[in-house]
Amino acid sequence: EAGVAQSPRYKIIEKRQSVAFWCNPISGHATLYWYQQILGQGPKLLIQFQNNGVVDDSQLPKDRFSAERLKGVDSTLKIQPAKLEDSAVYLCASSLKSGSGQFFGPGTRLTVL
Amino acid sequence: GNSVTQMEGPVTLSEEAFLTINCTYTATGYPSLFWYVQYPGEGLQLLLKATKADDKGSNKGFEATYRKETTSFHLEKGSVQVSDSAVYFCALSGGDYKLSFGAGTTVTVRA
Repeated sequence: EAGVAQSPRYKIIEKRQSVAFWCNPISGHATLYWYQQILGQGPKLLIQFQNNGVVDDSQLPKDRFSAERLKGVDSTLKIQPAKLEDSAVYLCASSLKSGSGQFFGPGTRLTVL
Repeated sequence: GNSVTQMEGPVTLSEEAFLTINCTYTATGYPSLFWYVQYPGEGLQLLLKATKADDKGSNKGFEATYRKETTSFHLEKGSVQVSDSAVYFCALSGGDYKLSFGAGTTVTVRA
């Protein structure tokens, strides 16, 4: 069974630039999550989707971050414009349904200079 | 709100040594508790879990027991190997099914 796929694996940008990350969850998984993991900290949930609808985006900085899952399968997370403090690993996870075990992708490491 | 506090690292051990990583939690109700592991260059993987008090989760020689009276879920392994070198995260999930993670503990095992 293929796992959660993410791309790119690494990205370096200047502050105020835009960046987008892509995630393809495990086939059949209805729930998709985006986490931000800052160095030395545990992952923090940014947004949770159930199919193509947003379940929770309370921790998403909506002035600069946006995410979509238009067809209820893969998802894109965007940052526009990026700030230095956005440097982190962005993890995507999926689960069969809300409350079932989450499977994580390898993450995208973002460096903002 | 829910929160997890785990032992700060880094932890450096010799092969075959005993490993314990402390984890305590604060939560309302009866959360499920997890240990995740992140090997170098890889994503988070679920190592073990426990869903109710006194449950013991185990996998790959690691064990953790859900202790409600002490609000703890300490991770232990009797004899570590070099391949156990990784970052270990304690996490909990409450009634809303959201995962709350600790800060992670980096473990390095020397041959």
